[in-house]
Amino acid sequence: EVKLVESGGGLVQPGGSLRLSCATSGFTFTDYYMSWVRQPPGKALEWLGFIRNKANGYTTEYSASVKGRFTISRDNSQSILYLQMNTLRAEDSATYYCARELGSYAMDYWGQGTSVTVSS
Amino acid sequence: DIQMTQSPASQSASLGESVTITCLASQTIGTWLSWYQQKPGKSPQLLIYAATSLADGVPSRFSGSGSGTKFSFKISSLQAEDFVSYYCQQLYSTPWTFGGGTKLEIK
Repeated sequence: EVKLVESGGGLVQPGGSLRLSCATSGFTFTDYYMSWVRQPPGKALEWLGFIRNKANGYTTEYSASVKGRFTISRDNSQSILYLQMNTLRAEDSATYYCARELGSYAMDYWGQGTSVTVSS
Repeated sequence: DIQMTQSPASQSASLGESVTITCLASQTIGTWLSWYQQKPGKSPQLLIYAATSLADGVPSRFSGSGSGTKFSFKISSLQAEDFVSYYCQQLYSTPWTFGGGTKLEIK
């Protein structure tokens, strides 16, 4: 059974940093692109970026809204995906989801989400 | 960036009725489009990928069509559990982008 479990969310002050984790199981982690998506309360989904699979060199792509502030990485030995978030702003407050990509056709499995609140 | 315009933002319908949601892409995306269902407080669930393919375990009352810039998502014979939110997403070129969402409400 495929499982994705996020952790690491919480309350952080503006300008602060936070690292989210996504522990995965039930599939060959290195075979898949992995994405992060967020959703502010009551708003639509926003893709933040992905990290490619082993065959594509584990390279990354980001949305303009987080490029330079957020970094996606992966620990392939433990099948964990990370999102390092720096210089956080109030508008980064959202539920953050990790998701597995189905060969760039879709995101076929999602975690349950972890909530991040940026506030003083 | 490719903009995805999803309509309507909300729709009221009755049990057993059919509804159609539309997504328009700001440029051609072939069939690189997926549809998701999101229940309140839950993560999105994949329903349709590659514009028309039903994801594993998804009931056949859900269907997708379209290519290029215009896409449709249909639910035939609405069930009580279908009155939640739906999103389209393009995966033709990064950044992947989502539509604004459609919330279905019981009439």
